[in-house]
Amino acid sequence: AQSVTQLGSHVSVSEGALVLLRCNYSSSVPPYLFWYVQYPNQGLQLLLKYTTGATLVKGINGFEAEFKKSETSFHLTKPSAHMSDAAEYFCAVSEPGLRAGNMLTFGGGTRLMVKP
Amino acid sequence: GAGVSQSPRYKVAKRGQDVALRCDPISGHVSLFWYQQALGQGPEFLTYFQNEAQLDKSGLPSDRFFAERPEGSVSTLKIQRTQQEDSAVYLCASSPRTSGGVETQYFGPGTRLLVL
Repeated sequence: AQSVTQLGSHVSVSEGALVLLRCNYSSSVPPYLFWYVQYPNQGLQLLLKYTTGATLVKGINGFEAEFKKSETSFHLTKPSAHMSDAAEYFCAVSEPGLRAGNMLTFGGGTRLMVKP
Repeated sequence: GAGVSQSPRYKVAKRGQDVALRCDPISGHVSLFWYQQALGQGPEFLTYFQNEAQLDKSGLPSDRFFAERPEGSVSTLKIQRTQQEDSAVYLCASSPRTSGGVETQYFGPGTRLLVL
């Protein structure tokens, strides 16, 4: 069974500082990995995803993540935080081919706060 | 184009009432998912439809939960005899094709259900 662990339910950074949100997963097959962002009272929006190929994935709003198989990690980073980045971030995994539809399994989420 | 829409956005129910939550996926999307997001947690998978066929309902927490998508477009999640533990945000997502794993799931804004 697949699972996702996000270390740190709350992360606070200063505006302009590096953002690092951690995600570790377990999967019985090579997984597909996703980061979603959720703003208050809105649905989840895809930031980026890894399926195959290059392990460094670039997404929207300057975010990127690196798939490290040996560490079973998919940490999300952004070089310089903006106030508008304050939101809830979810890491998710799917196991292609194992179940119909390839449902997503989510981590518990990390709330990012950006201080002026 | 229009994204995934859900209605109502907010629902307050008395314990024991039945509720129906509606999801309008993106036009033409084959796959449709329902997730439940408890307060402060990540979304958890409930059920999956491929067109009108419900191929996976392993996440439905009890037989009080029922979902349908009779014409392969709009879906309804019904909860009978609501309990306080059913209070959560119910998210609907759709994706263009069937399993393959790479398709992005597009999420609606959710229905926030509060059972008193």
